[in-house]
Amino acid sequence: QKEVEQNSGPLSVPEGAIASLNCTYSDRVSQSFFWYRQYSGKSPELIMSIYSNGDKEDGRFTAQLNKASQYVSLLIRDSQPSDSATYLCAANPNTGFQKLVFGTGTRLLVSP
Amino acid sequence: DVKVTQSSRYLVKRTGEKVFLECVQDMDHENMFWYRQDPGLGLRLIYFSYDVKMKEKGDIPEGYSVSREKKERFSLILESASTNQTSMYLCASSFSQEGGGYTFGSGTRLTVV
Repeated sequence: QKEVEQNSGPLSVPEGAIASLNCTYSDRVSQSFFWYRQYSGKSPELIMSIYSNGDKEDGRFTAQLNKASQYVSLLIRDSQPSDSATYLCAANPNTGFQKLVFGTGTRLLVSP
Repeated sequence: DVKVTQSSRYLVKRTGEKVFLECVQDMDHENMFWYRQDPGLGLRLIYFSYDVKMKEKGDIPEGYSVSREKKERFSLILESASTNQTSMYLCASSFSQEGGGYTFGSGTRLTVV
């Protein structure tokens, strides 16, 4: 069973701090990884994708991938209350159908 | 702006009714997916389709069927709605080549009474 594991949280950080969200995956052949943000009652929104080991930065967001450790993380710098949401990690196990495996999400709370 | 559109935001249906949930995408994506999302259980794949008239069962297909007669449209059918099918239903689409993520629709909150 291919799995993506996330701590459900909530992860609480003060406004302006760095939020660090973590994810592990079980399938070594996974090649691409995605972070989705989901506000309460809304659908998931893609915020970051990463395919190679190392860091990928986009504005206040940095995705980090370590394939040897089967570990993906998302850093949010200068966290804002509007970042409060559930963050879903997803991996593509490379079955040929682009069928992503999702974690259950980490709830982030940013307090003013 | 590219979109995945789900026909209804909220639906209330009675037990035993046949329910149709519609999803349309305008991105020429080959793949389309239906998920349900319940608190504590995350996203669970019901069915997916990688081409017109093609369909594959996901993890929880029981009680559901799908139809894909055109590339842009993927319909989820609840053959005889039951209260345990009360959930948020999410449609998504993607390109078939490696690397792309999903684009999700806005979701349909279905309540079966």
